[in-house]
Amino acid sequence: SYEVTQPPSLSVSPGQTASITCSGDALGEKSVSWYQQKPGQSPVVVIYQDFKRPSGIPERFSASNSGNTATLTISGTQGEDEGDYHCQTWDRSSAVFGGGTKLTVL
Amino acid sequence: EVQLVESGGALVRPEGSLRLSCAASGFISGDYQMNWVRQAPGKGLEWISYIDSSGGTIYYADSVKGRFTISRDNAINLLYLQMTNLRAEDTAIYYCARSWSSSGWSHFDYWGQGTLVTVSS
Repeated sequence: SYEVTQPPSLSVSPGQTASITCSGDALGEKSVSWYQQKPGQSPVVVIYQDFKRPSGIPERFSASNSGNTATLTISGTQGEDEGDYHCQTWDRSSAVFGGGTKLTVL
Repeated sequence: EVQLVESGGALVRPEGSLRLSCAASGFISGDYQMNWVRQAPGKGLEWISYIDSSGGTIYYADSVKGRFTISRDNAINLLYLQMTNLRAEDTAIYYCARSWSSSGWSHFDYWGQGTLVTVSS
């Protein structure tokens, strides 16, 4: 079955840029979405179709997808961005999630 | 306002059964594909099932195939997940999530608050 891999954790200082990767075979040929999940809350989509940002999501969230890697970038990271980030794609009618990356802003 | 509200989570013994419900409001549920996604304690998200807007196309993750059944009643805006032969590893928060599709790809644009299923003797 298809798998996508994320780093388990990432720490950044406030104001810095956070880059979270999601890797999988030929992932660039698929569409990737990113979800933010804060403790005790449900996931919220922050990026869909590789780079599109839903209304209400700050412009500091951006993303790309090419080759075997998709990347979520948070520019000027703020404390409120702390949480888990999950990448997701589809493979043969099954949705596939990465293991999630815990972003710490300290 | 789009809302998805899950219910039915409980403590159940191994090999037991449970039915989860997801009540949709704020949109015409029959216009959208729906999914169930679960999250075991301290773990990542796991997609488990998809149903299209009419209920005619259904997919399952291998981990639940043959044990779980997804269904929907568009007349009353409800999504269901019938779970049988439950195992300890099915312990998780279960979310219903709406799919939004464009250009042949979809993502989960709205999620419920989740309902907790605990499988333990």
